[in-house]
Amino acid sequence: EDQVTQSPEALRLQEGESSSLNCSYTVSGLRGLFWYRQDPGKGPEFLFTLYSAGEEKEKERLKATLTKKESFLHITAPKPEDSATYLCAVHPGYGGATNKLIFGTGTLLAVQP
Amino acid sequence: GAVVSQHPSWVICKSGTSVKIECRSLDFQATTMFWYRQFPKQSLMLMATSNEGSKATYEQGVEKDKFLINHASLTLSTLTVTSAHPEDSSFYICSATPTTGGGYEQYFGPGTRLTVT
Repeated sequence: EDQVTQSPEALRLQEGESSSLNCSYTVSGLRGLFWYRQDPGKGPEFLFTLYSAGEEKEKERLKATLTKKESFLHITAPKPEDSATYLCAVHPGYGGATNKLIFGTGTLLAVQP
Repeated sequence: GAVVSQHPSWVICKSGTSVKIECRSLDFQATTMFWYRQFPKQSLMLMATSNEGSKATYEQGVEKDKFLINHASLTLSTLTVTSAHPEDSSFYICSATPTTGGGYEQYFGPGTRLTVT
């Protein structure tokens, strides 16, 4: 069964305290792994797409990496404005663009000043 | 780029009435759009996949006669909640995948908060 698991469920950091969020996946194939950020009461905001093991993407304080079984979202020197829920999703490798993404349940990140 | 809008952003309606929510891709065309529902502090729950010019594909357990989806153009999909009841109160979010570019990213709208009284 295709599955995406995110950990931890919640993470509290002090401002400047770097850490990583994990997204492990089990799918028959992989046509892309996606990271999103969601603020309360808003729709998810697209961050990154990773396609193959070894690929890395960066945006400001965020860096996403991908292996054959998991992805990490590294947050370097976070600021309070990085507080949000981070969602991971995978395209399971069949069906093309009409197929749904499989989402994890998210990691709620709180960065305290 | 890749902006998706939703209208309205919030709506309050009385039990038994119908509500229509619009989802528009503003700067790209989308053959496929998706409708999600999200309960407080929970992840996204896919309701249906909307395909331009054809019938929507509903997820198991989603009543197709209650949640009517129309994808009339490459930039517009609508979700109509018919005969709404308080249990339909939720946060509804749409997303769209660009027709061109070859990727599978979904770009999300800002969401619509529906409250049924």
